[in-house]
Amino acid sequence: KNEVEQSPQNLTAQEGEFITINCSYSVGISALHWLQQHPGGGIVSLFMLSSGKKKHGRLIATINIQEKHSSLHITASHPRDSAVYICADSIQGAQKLVFGQGTRLTINP
Amino acid sequence: GAGVSQSPRYKVAKRGQDVALRCDPISGHVSLFWYQQALGQGPEFLTYFQNEAQLDKSGLPSDRFFAERPEGSVSTLKIQRTQQEDSAVYLCASSRGTDSYNEQFFGPGTRLTVL
Repeated sequence: KNEVEQSPQNLTAQEGEFITINCSYSVGISALHWLQQHPGGGIVSLFMLSSGKKKHGRLIATINIQEKHSSLHITASHPRDSAVYICADSIQGAQKLVFGQGTRLTINP
Repeated sequence: GAGVSQSPRYKVAKRGQDVALRCDPISGHVSLFWYQQALGQGPEFLTYFQNEAQLDKSGLPSDRFFAERPEGSVSTLKIQRTQQEDSAVYLCASSRGTDSYNEQFFGPGTRLTVL
């Protein structure tokens, strides 16, 4: 069964800190997605990756296929980064996404 | 260009009422998904369309849930005889392609509250 687990569920940090959110999945995947959801808002795709590492601004996503593990890093965190970050995967032959439960990130000024 | 839109944004229904939720995907997107997100949880898959064909409805929780996309663009999710456990945010997403390596674009969701 395709399952996605995230940790931590909640994370509070001070502005400027380096943030890491972890995601583990149980089966071989076609793609791993990192998404951001603001309170009351829709979901925005941050990254889609199947190997290696991707960077966009202060955000970095990495994936280790052998260990079935991905991380999302935020450098020089800012209060506007406060949101729920969700990891999701899709497996070969199945277009749907299977989501983790999300990590609620709060960055205090 | 316009993103995915959903209407209504908020819906309050009395238990037993029928509701219809609409999704307008990005123009030209072949794939369309419906997800259900309970409070404090990650979204869960409901159903998937490729053009007008409903290829996967394995996530629909009961036969009270019905979805259609008759012309391969706009989709409607209908819930009959709503129950309190149906209260959730219903998210629609679309993607350009049909394989599993495709970015999905999400609408703002419809928050359904069943009293």
